[in-house]
Amino acid sequence: AQRVTQPEKLLSVFKGAPVELKCNYSYSGSPELFWYVQYSRQRLQLLLRHISRESIKGFTADLNKGETSFHLKKPFAQEEDSAMYYCALISRGFQKLVFGTGTRLLVSP
Amino acid sequence: EAGVAQSPRYKIIEKRQSVAFWCNPISGHATLYWYQQILGQGPKLLIQFQNNGVVDDSQLPKDRFSAERLKGVDSTLKIQPAKLEDSAVYLCASSLGTGFPDTQYFGPGTRLTVL
Repeated sequence: AQRVTQPEKLLSVFKGAPVELKCNYSYSGSPELFWYVQYSRQRLQLLLRHISRESIKGFTADLNKGETSFHLKKPFAQEEDSAMYYCALISRGFQKLVFGTGTRLLVSP
Repeated sequence: EAGVAQSPRYKIIEKRQSVAFWCNPISGHATLYWYQQILGQGPKLLIQFQNNGVVDDSQLPKDRFSAERLKGVDSTLKIQPAKLEDSAVYLCASSLGTGFPDTQYFGPGTRLTVL
């Protein structure tokens, strides 16, 4: 069964501190993974995709197949990074997105 | 480009009443999705359309939920009759429907409260 686990409901850091949002998955196959973000009063939007290997707003995520993880990292957090972050995987075939429960990141000045 | 549109944005009803939500996807997007997001949880897929055909409705409670996408564009999701546990945000998303992975774009959601 496909499952995405985000163990932290809330992560609180100070501005300038490094950030790591954890994501673990279970999937019987080769997954494609995503991070979605929802800022206050805004819609859910794509932050980055594993397949693109890109850095968006200073965030990066590396797929570790051995540990089945896709943690989201940023070396220096900014106040505007405060938001709800969801890790998700997509299955081949119907391309069904399976989301984790989300982690709220709070960056304090 | 205009994003995914949904209406209404908020709805309050009493249990056993009926409710309908509307979604207009991004122009040209063949695939449309309805998700249910209960407070404290991630979005859960209810139903997925490819053009006007259903490709996945395995998690749709079909005794009370129904959805249609006539003409392969707009879609409506209906709940009849509503239960207290249906209180959630209902999200609509759309994607081009080509390639893998196919990026999904989300609407603002409809927040449903069942009293």
